[in-house]
Amino acid sequence: DIQMTQSPSSLSASVGDRVTITCRASQSISSYLNWYQQKPGKAPKLLIYAASSLQSGVPSRFSGSGSGTDFTLTISSLQPEDFATYYCQQSYSTLVTFGPGTKVDIK
Amino acid sequence: EVQLVESGGGLVQPGGSLRLSCVASGFTFSSYWMSWVRQAPGKGLEWVANIKQDGSEKYYVDSVKGRFIISRDNAKNSLYLQMNSLRAEDTAVYFCARDIIAVAVSWFDPWGQGTLVTVSS
Repeated sequence: DIQMTQSPSSLSASVGDRVTITCRASQSISSYLNWYQQKPGKAPKLLIYAASSLQSGVPSRFSGSGSGTDFTLTISSLQPEDFATYYCQQSYSTLVTFGPGTKVDIK
Repeated sequence: EVQLVESGGGLVQPGGSLRLSCVASGFTFSSYWMSWVRQAPGKGLEWVANIKQDGSEKYYVDSVKGRFIISRDNAKNSLYLQMNSLRAEDTAVYFCARDIIAVAVSWFDPWGQGTLVTVSS
């Protein structure tokens, strides 16, 4: 199975901050990497697919980059509604796996 | 509006069975792979199983192989997860999700609101 790791596991930030979350795969997954946002008690929401493509309706302050084994989700200017947990997910393998999540909370 | 609505969760004893359902609306259900993803309380996301449009291919995470069965009824726009020999570690919110596949890349969108399964005596 392809193992996914994320760093940091949590971070505290202020409104307006630039936030960067890293995701690493245990083997090369090309650009088969997606990012989701989840708020407490809610279903995950797709933000970025295929490493860098912004899902329709998602604010442009979210961006994704990377390929191979190392990927990044960036929030250019953190907004109050962005406080949530973020998960990466690989779809390179038939057996899909998620990263452990990064919780972004208010500083 | 594209929508997925799960049902069937509840409290079940270890070793028991439960059948989850997910009803889809707002899109051509029979054209998409579908998945179940679960989340244990306070934990991360774990993909459980998926099924091809016509039901001819199914894949499972190792921890549920031989115990869970994914199926679908395209005439009813419905996805199912039959869960047998349930264990405490199967306690989770179970989400159904539509698989979007484009040039071999795939992702989940949208997700249902989830249904809670609690395995406890």
